Amino acid sequence: DTAVSQTPKYLVTQMGNDKSIKCEQNLGHDTMYWYKQDSKKFLKIMFSYNNKELIINETVPNRFSPKSPDKAHLNLHINSLELGDSAVYFCASSPRTDTQYFGPGTRLTVL
Amino acid sequence: DQQVKQNSPSLSVQEGRISILNCDYTNSMFDYFLWYKKYPAEGPTFLISISSIKDKNEDGRFTVFLNKSAKHLSLHIVPSQPGDSAVYFCAASDSGADGLTFGKGTHLIIQP
Repeated sequence: DTAVSQTPKYLVTQMGNDKSIKCEQNLGHDTMYWYKQDSKKFLKIMFSYNNKELIINETVPNRFSPKSPDKAHLNLHINSLELGDSAVYFCASSPRTDTQYFGPGTRLTVL
Repeated sequence: DQQVKQNSPSLSVQEGRISILNCDYTNSMFDYFLWYKKYPAEGPTFLISISSIKDKNEDGRFTVFLNKSAKHLSLHIVPSQPGDSAVYFCAASDSGADGLTFGKGTHLIIQP
């Protein structure tokens, strides 16, 4: 039973395309997050979503948008992909603001 | 501006000995600290945490120490086992904000 799952695990696409990464958690948590791990291995928060309240890291381009169809899902949509978007994206969920549980990651490669 | 720093990119320790991973932070608003372990091609896995009102938390072979005045925390693993070889991330939380702030990670290698 996977607690936080992401699909796809790998995503290779051309510059300019629009793509989505799906995230689902079966832990009943109220808050979900998206993180980006760049080539320098830094894990940085992109979004947090709690009970329909979205908090956005101001450094995230508006080409990135999270969509939550229900409490268990927080999908990440990326428009007009750029080379610099290549990274590993991690979804996480949390019952509160401290301990977070991470998905396995999605490696995005933009060609 | 790195608010959480792990200054050792890698650390090699002999099996059975103690592994000590260090982490420094600059933001005095952080009130909760966590350690995550990460294997290649997997997501970070929560290991242990500590609240800023404590100076030590222990869970089996893992102990986290917090020195608030020095803005420093460390993770002790004893005895070290081969399965402990992984990248360890220090993370911090400001309960007034959302999301964790991560360090860059330390790659721990346990030598047989």
